[in-house]
Amino acid sequence: DAKTTQPTSMDCAEGRAANLPCNHSTISGNEYVYWYRQIHSQGPQYIIHGLKNNETNEMASLIITEDRKSSTLILPHATLRDTAVYYCIASPPYSGAGSYQLTFGKGTKLSVIP
Amino acid sequence: KAGVTQTPRYLIKTRGQQVTLSCSPISGHRSVSWYQQTPGQGLQFLFEYFSETQRNKGNFPGRFSGRQFSNSRSEMNVSTLELGDSALYLCASSLEGTELPFDTQYFGPGTRLTVL
Repeated sequence: DAKTTQPTSMDCAEGRAANLPCNHSTISGNEYVYWYRQIHSQGPQYIIHGLKNNETNEMASLIITEDRKSSTLILPHATLRDTAVYYCIASPPYSGAGSYQLTFGKGTKLSVIP
Repeated sequence: KAGVTQTPRYLIKTRGQQVTLSCSPISGHRSVSWYQQTPGQGLQFLFEYFSETQRNKGNFPGRFSGRQFSNSRSEMNVSTLELGDSALYLCASSLEGTELPFDTQYFGPGTRLTVL
């Protein structure tokens, strides 16, 4: 899995957009970018994934640069419940041919401020 | 659809004892993985099971073991507990289907193990 680099912590005002950056300069062509988050003492929660194109779902948007060396997770209207550690992971997609193992880094601790 | 469930949620043991943790995957999911999370080491992969077979293993000692049943439910066992085994143990399931273009893992709430 490609190594990812994220800021240790970030603050965001409630109601504003939270933009969480991730650097994955060594990502290979078949690796997806996944984002998970972990609210204190709970299991990680899947947010979104992407390969090349920007993606959006009900939780967030994912912007991947054209060279795929970095990405940004956007929470459009952050709430206090979005306070969590956010993990960016670069990993090959499940192929059906073998096992599946996610490698988590330290992540970014996002604090949403009232 | 119900999520991944883990039991018990909290457990206190003493050094030298053994412990068994249980995980029920999302209905229809066939792959179950286990992770250990500590403040110092973060989230670390323990092992993954599919079709009752261990398919992948992380870098943990043999005291850590697991198994999977025919209904995909999984258990992990830690023998001869050490203080350093105190952690949040997380189970994750994935669908595991060769026809899928994409799959990911869905995590349970974890079991908080404290070793005294």
